[in-house]
Formats: sequence, C-alpha cells, structure tokens
Amino acid sequence: ETGVTQSPTHLIKTRGQQVTLRCSSQSGHNTVSWYQQALGQGPQFIFQYYREEENGRGNFPPRFSGLQFPNYSSELNVNALELDDSALYLCASSPPGRQNYGYTFGSGTRLTVV
Amino acid sequence: KNQVEQSPQSLIILEGKNCTLQCNYTVSPFSNLRWYKQDTGRGPVSLTIMTFSENTKSNGRYTATLDADTKQSSLHITASQLSDSASYICVVIGVMDSNYQLIWGAGTKLIIKP
Repeated sequence: ETGVTQSPTHLIKTRGQQVTLRCSSQSGHNTVSWYQQALGQGPQFIFQYYREEENGRGNFPPRFSGLQFPNYSSELNVNALELDDSALYLCASSPPGRQNYGYTFGSGTRLTVV
Repeated sequence: KNQVEQSPQSLIILEGKNCTLQCNYTVSPFSNLRWYKQDTGRGPVSLTIMTFSENTKSNGRYTATLDADTKQSSLHITASQLSDSASYICVVIGVMDSNYQLIWGAGTKLIIKP
C-alpha cells in the first residue's frame, strides 16, 4: 500500500509566475485536501476534492485552484505568485466513508517565491 | 468560533525525561481529535486518533488523553529520545456545512537535549 506522494519536493518561483503542485493519494483513498503551512505556523486549509469536485474551501483567493483526476490524484495551481505564498504545501488523502478519520499526509512541497 | 489552542508554545527537556503537552479546543460539533508529530519541513505523521468516547490512547511512548466534557486533551511522552524533537500538533475534526474539516492548533515545538 503506497502512501501519499507529492511532487516536486522543493520549488523556487519568481513573483507573478504560476505553479502547479501534484499529489498522488494513498491507494483506496478518494478524497484529497490541500493545506498551506507557513514557517512556524499550523497548516491552513485551502480546499478539498471529492469525486473530482471541490467540496470545501478555506479562506484563500481564487488564484488558488485545484483539480482532481479520475484516479483521485490531484493538482494545486497557484497563479500570480506572491512572496507570502512561500510555504510548505501539504496534501492529505482520506478513504471513502471515513473522511473524518483517515487522513494521511504527504511529505509536502516546499515553495519559495522570490 | 472553532479554535484549537496548544501549550506550551515550545518546550526544551533533557533526553530521558517525560513531558506533557496540552490542547484545549472549542470545536463543535466534534468528531475526533488527533495528535500529529511533524518534523521540520516534512508532512505530519499521525500519533493518535481519539473519538469523544475514548479517554486514553497509547502509541508506544506516546499517551494521549481526552476529556470531552472540558474539551481538553494532553499528549504525554515518556522517556524522551533525541528523535522526539519535532512539532506536536493537536487537530480536531469538526463538522461544518455538512463537511468534515480539520481545525489545527499552532503546535508545540519540542526540543530534546542530550
């Protein structure tokens, strides 16, 4: 059974650019959620995808968007990058019927915006 | 407002000593509470998951307690090791708009010194 994998592990982008982060959910998990974690702070919920549709969103602007694919993998896209977008981006997946119980996290993508 | 507060913010102890981390929450309705260990720059790893009917749960040298009446939880670490140095995050799963959502504490940064 594979866990949650995220790519890339590290990324450096310039302010104003666009970035795509990828997440492969754990085998058997159909719900994926994304979090932003600034240095020294707890993760902030960005959004969640279930059956290829967004079914929950935190307080993030529309330039943060996502996708979920039929194989339940997911992408997080951020447009018009700002310096404050520099953070660790975490992806978590959870199994059918146990969205409240079985969150497994990936190791994250460290995004630096310069 | 749904909140999770942790204390202390940081803690330094000597290797081999015990310590207890605290978590108070105001999340309602409540599904379950979990403690995560997060190494710097890595994704969180689940230590314990507790529903409102569970008072104590252990995972090796980690023991979590939950008092659902007072909405308090603690994580006790026995015989600390250098590898225990990490951030410990309390997460409460609440129900909002018919969706489960993770409410994160800011974490306690634990440093174990030899």
